[in-house]
Order: sequence, then structure tokens, then C-alpha cells
Amino acid sequence: AQRVTQPEKLLSVFKGAPVELKCNYSYSGSPELFWYVQYSRQRLQLLLRHISRESIKGFTADLNKGETSFHLKKPFAQEEDSAMYYCALRTGTYKYIFGTGTRLKVLA
Amino acid sequence: GAGVSQSPSNKVTEKGKDVELRCDPISGHTALYWYRQSLGQGLEFLIYFQGNSAPDKSGLPSDRFSAERTGGSVSTLTIQRTQQEDSAVYLCASISAGGNTDTQYFGPGTRLTVL
Repeated sequence: AQRVTQPEKLLSVFKGAPVELKCNYSYSGSPELFWYVQYSRQRLQLLLRHISRESIKGFTADLNKGETSFHLKKPFAQEEDSAMYYCALRTGTYKYIFGTGTRLKVLA
Repeated sequence: GAGVSQSPSNKVTEKGKDVELRCDPISGHTALYWYRQSLGQGLEFLIYFQGNSAPDKSGLPSDRFSAERTGGSVSTLTIQRTQQEDSAVYLCASISAGGNTDTQYFGPGTRLTVL
């Protein structure tokens, strides 16, 4: 079955602490994974995609096919990182499966 | 420039009534998605339109749901005989020309409440 699992509904960390938002997927094909973010009172937007191997706002995510994971990491959390984060798997050329999301709260 | 817009932002209806939700994609965007997000759930794919191709309706949960895209632009999602389980936020997203579906531009959503 095709599935994206984000095990944490809520993750609270202190400012300056490292952050890791977990994402695991189940897919028999070649996975394409993304992280989307929704800041308070803003729209859902793309944060990063695994294929680009980019760092956006200090966040990185590495695709680990052995562990079927795509965890989102940042070494030093900032208060402005507080948001809802969704991991998404694209199957085929356009169809997406989203996880249930993790709310990140960065405490001062 | 204007992003994706959706209307209404909120809709409260009674069980059994029909509702129509509207999405205006970014001008020039050729592809459009509808998603449903029920409380505490992730986004659930409903339908995908790409240019003049036949839409992928595989995510529509029942035959009470239908969607159209007129003139390759505005899209409407219609739910007939609404049920309480239809209560959710309905999101629309569009994709820029060229067909690369990496970056979806989301609208603000329509929150539907069925009493």
C-alpha cells in the first residue's frame, strides 16, 4: 500500500535546539518526496524536494531508501519555524499522498 | 500577482443540500488539483486536471462528488446531497505551465461544514 506516515502530531523544541520531523513512506516504485509547510494564517507551500538536495531556510531532508524515510532536519530551530509540516510522496507524474502533518512549536 | 483563490472561504450547509466550491488558479497554470483535508488528516487527493486531457477523477470518494474545469481556468467542485462526513477543508492547487508538478500553488481553502 502507498502511504506516508508522520508519527508525531506535535513537536515542541526550544529555540536553538536541533529539530527532526519524521516521515516514513511505503511505496513500491521509485519515490519522489517533498516537504510542504503551512505557517500560521498562510497557505500551504513547498519547502523542499528530495531530488534537489537543497537546503531551504536551514532545513534539509535526506531520502533513505533502506529505511524508507525522509526526515526533515534543522540544526538550530528558530521561532519563525513554528508551523505545520507535511511530508508528501508523489506517485507517478502528478498524484500526491500527504502525511497527516506535524505541528512544530519552537519555544522561546 | 494574484495567487490561487477559492470561494467561498467558509460554507455552512444542511445535510442533503448541494454545494459548489470554486477555484481560480493562477493565470496560465495548466494543471489543477482538488484535495480534501478532514480534521486531523492529511490532504486527500480528489481530482487532477491537466490542460485538455481527461481529468483523473480517481480520488473522488463517491458519485456525489464531481468537478469541472471550464476553459482551462476556473474549476468548480460540486458535492450533491451533502453528508456530515463531507465536512472538511477543500483545497485547490495549481501548477505552472510546463507540467512540472513539483511545486503546487495552493489556495486558502474552503471550509465546509455540513450540519
